[in-house]
Amino acid sequence: EAGVVQSPRYKIIEKKQPVAFWCNPISGHNTLYWYLQNLGQGPELLIRYENEEAVDDSQLPKDRFSAERLKGVDSTLKIQPAELGDSAVYLCASSSDRETDTQYFGPGTRLTVL
Amino acid sequence: AQSVTQPDIHITVSEGASLELRCNYSYGATPYLFWYVQSPGQGLQLLLKYFSGDTLVQGIKGFEAEFKRSQSSFNLRKPSVHWSDAAEYFCAVGPGNQAGTALIFGKGTTLSVSS
Repeated sequence: EAGVVQSPRYKIIEKKQPVAFWCNPISGHNTLYWYLQNLGQGPELLIRYENEEAVDDSQLPKDRFSAERLKGVDSTLKIQPAELGDSAVYLCASSSDRETDTQYFGPGTRLTVL
Repeated sequence: AQSVTQPDIHITVSEGASLELRCNYSYGATPYLFWYVQSPGQGLQLLLKYFSGDTLVQGIKGFEAEFKRSQSSFNLRKPSVHWSDAAEYFCAVGPGNQAGTALIFGKGTTLSVSS
């Protein structure tokens, strides 16, 4: 079974530029999560989708971040414009177990903003 | 507030020695508990999880963890560490009565293995 796929794996951009990350969850997983992981920290939730609906986006900085999950499968996370402080690893995870919420993570996208 | 504390930022263990990584949580209800491992440049891999039942749970790669409700702890153990175990380890807690919500992670413990 294929795991969670993310692309790109690495991205370097200049500040004020836009950037987008893509995630393909494990087949059949209806719940998708985007986490932010700063250096030396654990992941923190940005947004959670149940199918195509964003059910928890309280931690998403909506002035510059946006996300979508069309057709309830793939998801895209966008930052526009990027700031120096956005340099981090962006992790995507998915789950299907409604009772136990076991989440499976992708390899992440490491963003560097110069 | 819900939180996870991993008291040890960095631990060094000799290859072949035993390992224990500490995790304490603060949660209002019975939590679901997880340990993940992250190798450099990689995503998080699930080592083991506890939902209910036997408080000693077995995971992959020879790891185990014990849930102690009275101590609000979920420590990770391995009897004999291998050099390939060097990585960062994260403890996480999820709400046991609210499926599909986000996990709360500790800040992680970096494990180094010396020869």
